[in-house]
Amino acid sequence: QSVLTQPPSVSGAPGQRVTFSCTGSSSNIGAGYDVHWYQQVPGTAPKLLIYDYRHRPSGVPDRFSGSKSDTSASLAITGLQAEDEADYYCQSYDSSLNGYVFGGGTKVTVL
Amino acid sequence: EVQLVQSGPEVKKPGESLKISCQVSGYTFSRFWIGWVRQRPGKGLEWMGIVYPGDSETRYNSSFQGHVTISADESTNTAHLQWSTLRASDTGIYYCARHQRGADVLSPFDFWGQGTLVTVSS
Repeated sequence: QSVLTQPPSVSGAPGQRVTFSCTGSSSNIGAGYDVHWYQQVPGTAPKLLIYDYRHRPSGVPDRFSGSKSDTSASLAITGLQAEDEADYYCQSYDSSLNGYVFGGGTKVTVL
Repeated sequence: EVQLVQSGPEVKKPGESLKISCQVSGYTFSRFWIGWVRQRPGKGLEWMGIVYPGDSETRYNSSFQGHVTISADESTNTAHLQWSTLRASDTGIYYCARHQRGADVLSPFDFWGQGTLVTVSS
């Protein structure tokens, strides 16, 4: 069981908006540590998608956005496209574990 | 261009030792933390630990400490992950990744290696 909790799967039709959460606790997200999001297309290495809650690296479309609330973070994808079908992982630092933790991952399916 | 190139797939037996590598280029190796992440078959990402090549400081996930050793060789711009005694449960893909903001361990992993598949089976 992951320290950061994500829904196992979400789905949406092309063009729709999907959003999913990453829920932590007072020793990670609630303590003010940043949350980062990664996209992993099956068979490839993870790719940084969002960092420090809401910043996009160069080359990441603005269809992807991140936000934070208390002990959770959220990732939203607007204008869903077939190429967005992948696994998405959140990551944060945990002070009680003295290291980084990942969420269990959310599989996004484009219907 | 920043690149992290990992060594090739490995097939080992339980009890054997192994050292895999991650050679970097395109930036100053000594100034950025590098981490290792495990992904077991069909499972999620697990943070294993990190090394700062400039002074070889290491930090480990307690779940992996004592079972793996993370190191860095500045002369070859290469980070290493090694086991002295492999177990079947070590089977998985191992990724190296660079922290985005050099000495800031709280920064994300911005560049990743392609992954090394390690299979441990009798």
